[in-house]
Amino acid sequence: SYVLTQPPSVSVAPGQTATIICGGNNIGSKNVHWYHQRPGQAPVLVVYNDNDRPSGIPERFSGSNSGNTATLTISRVEAGDEADYYCQVWDSNSDHVVFGGGTKLTVL
Amino acid sequence: EVQVVESGGGLVKPGGSLRLSCAASGLTFSGYYLHWVRQAPGKGLEWVSSISSSSSYIFNADSVKGRFTVSRDNAKNALYLQMNSLRAEDTAVYYCARDRDTMIRGVIAHWGQGTLVTVSS
Repeated sequence: SYVLTQPPSVSVAPGQTATIICGGNNIGSKNVHWYHQRPGQAPVLVVYNDNDRPSGIPERFSGSNSGNTATLTISRVEAGDEADYYCQVWDSNSDHVVFGGGTKLTVL
Repeated sequence: EVQVVESGGGLVKPGGSLRLSCAASGLTFSGYYLHWVRQAPGKGLEWVSSISSSSSYIFNADSVKGRFTVSRDNAKNALYLQMNSLRAEDTAVYYCARDRDTMIRGVIAHWGQGTLVTVSS
């Protein structure tokens, strides 16, 4: 089955740029989606199809995807961005939804 | 206001059964893929099941195959998850969710707040 690998944690100071990576075999050939989840809350879609943003998501959130790595970039990080972030794909080989293990973003 | 509300969670003994329901208001389920995603306490998101708009296609995670059955009722704007032969490792918050659009499956844009299922003797 397809596996997505994320670092457990990333730390960044306010105003700086946070980069969260998601590794997967030839992930560049798939559409990657990103969610954030604050404690006790449901996940929220922040980037879809590698680099599209749903309405209401700030332009500070962007994504890229190539080769074996997809990346979520959060510019000018704010305290409110502190959350768990998950990457996700639909694996068409197995027709399974696959989530990465999640990355906890800490704003210092 | 858009609302997705799960119900039916609770405490059940190992080997028991539970049926989760999900209802939406201000949001149509008809025409969209729907999903169940769970999250064990302190753990990450785990996909459980997906069902196509007409119920023609149903996909399940290996961990629940043969035990869980997803279904939907478009007339009632509802999604269900029948869970049998429950195990301790099924303990989790179960989220009901809908795709963002009808063109690309698996972009999960609308989530409920979840219902907690606890499997314990």
